[in-house]
Amino acid sequence: QVHLVESGGGVVQPGGSLRLSCAASGLIISDSGMHWVRQAPGKGLDWVAFIRSDGNNKYYVDSVEGRFTISRDNSKNTVYLQMNSLRAEDAAVYYCAKSTFYMDVWGKGTTVTVSS
Amino acid sequence: EIVMTQSPVILSVSPGERATLSCRASQSISNKLAWYQQKPGQAPRLLIHGASTRAAGVPGRFSGSGSGSEFTLSISSLQSEDFAVYYCQQYNNWPYTFGQGTKLEIK
Repeated sequence: QVHLVESGGGVVQPGGSLRLSCAASGLIISDSGMHWVRQAPGKGLDWVAFIRSDGNNKYYVDSVEGRFTISRDNSKNTVYLQMNSLRAEDAAVYYCAKSTFYMDVWGKGTTVTVSS
Repeated sequence: EIVMTQSPVILSVSPGERATLSCRASQSISNKLAWYQQKPGQAPRLLIHGASTRAAGVPGRFSGSGSGSEFTLSISSLQSEDFAVYYCQQYNNWPYTFGQGTKLEIK
């Protein structure tokens, strides 16, 4: 069975930080790019960030550039999303997804709530 | 940024009938388009990539077509499990972008 399991979500105050993790099982992600995609309550899907298989190229949506950092540890089969300076509009379910280019394997998501 | 526009926002169709969903890109994306299905409380599921290639395990009643900036997802003979929200997504240019979704509901 192929699984991606996100963790690290929770409640954080505006301006705070969280680090999300995405652990893979049943598949080796070292040859794959990996994405983070988020979905605000009742809203559609928003692509957030991408990291290439070797970690050397990273891309971000403008709204998180400079605040979020995507990284990976292939030895741990895990991808991370460090989120700093969180805003109310960052509240969402955050999904990680494996990518060739399209997203063919998704985790179940972890919920981030930004509230004072 | 490439803007993806889906239509209609809500589509009401009876079981057993055919559904046709549209997705338009604000500029050409060749065939770099994927379709996803999302049911309430679940993660999205990849249905179609390369505009017309079904993902593994996707039933043959799902088909995708189009290239350039106009794309279509068709679902023939709707089954009860097909009623969900459908998203298109382009992966031709950064940032990757999704359409706003089409909710397929039972008529």
